[in-house]
Amino acid sequence: NAGVTQTPKFQVLKTGQSMTLQCAQDMNHEYMSWYRQDPGMGLRLIHYSVGAGITDQGEVPNGYNVSRSTTEDFPLRLLSAAPSQTSVYFCASSLSTAWGEQYFGPGTRLTVT
Amino acid sequence: KQEVTQIPAALSVPEGENLVLNCSFTDSAIYNLQWFRQDPGKGLTSLLLIQSSQREQTSGRLNASLDKSSGRSTLYIAASQPGDSATYLCAVMGTGRRALTFGSGTRLQVQP
Repeated sequence: NAGVTQTPKFQVLKTGQSMTLQCAQDMNHEYMSWYRQDPGMGLRLIHYSVGAGITDQGEVPNGYNVSRSTTEDFPLRLLSAAPSQTSVYFCASSLSTAWGEQYFGPGTRLTVT
Repeated sequence: KQEVTQIPAALSVPEGENLVLNCSFTDSAIYNLQWFRQDPGKGLTSLLLIQSSQREQTSGRLNASLDKSSGRSTLYIAASQPGDSATYLCAVMGTGRRALTFGSGTRLQVQP
């Protein structure tokens, strides 16, 4: 199993550009989520999904969209990038929310200029 | 709102020492608590998961305990090694929120 994979590893955007951060898992996990990690702020939840077709907002959802059309994939879309979205983004998955060990991807380092 | 605090923020010890990292949380209504390790510039690696009904979990030189009623968890590392140097993160999965709430981490440096 590849576990949780994320692409790209690094990305530089100009303000106002859009892009999609990809996340995929091959463990047949129902639960997937996106976090951002900022110095001094820790990891904060952006969006999560408890299964295909079901998504919900986390703590910091503004400026981001998600969809979950398959169990395996959970892309994160930045609609109009802003410098405040400069961060490291992590995708995570688990078998379920209550009982599952959370597995994290390697992260995407995004810089918005 | 759940808050997770980790003390100390940073710790430097000589190789071979046994050490304890602390994690406290404000809301005891949790499903589980998980300890992670993060190396600089890398993702999170799961170390131990403790379900709310459990008191402790062990893996090799690591032992994590959970006292849900007092809102505390400790991660015990025995016979520390330079390779243990990393940031250790504690996170809780609350029953009211379908997401992990993270502490800010303890940065550990083990001196050879």
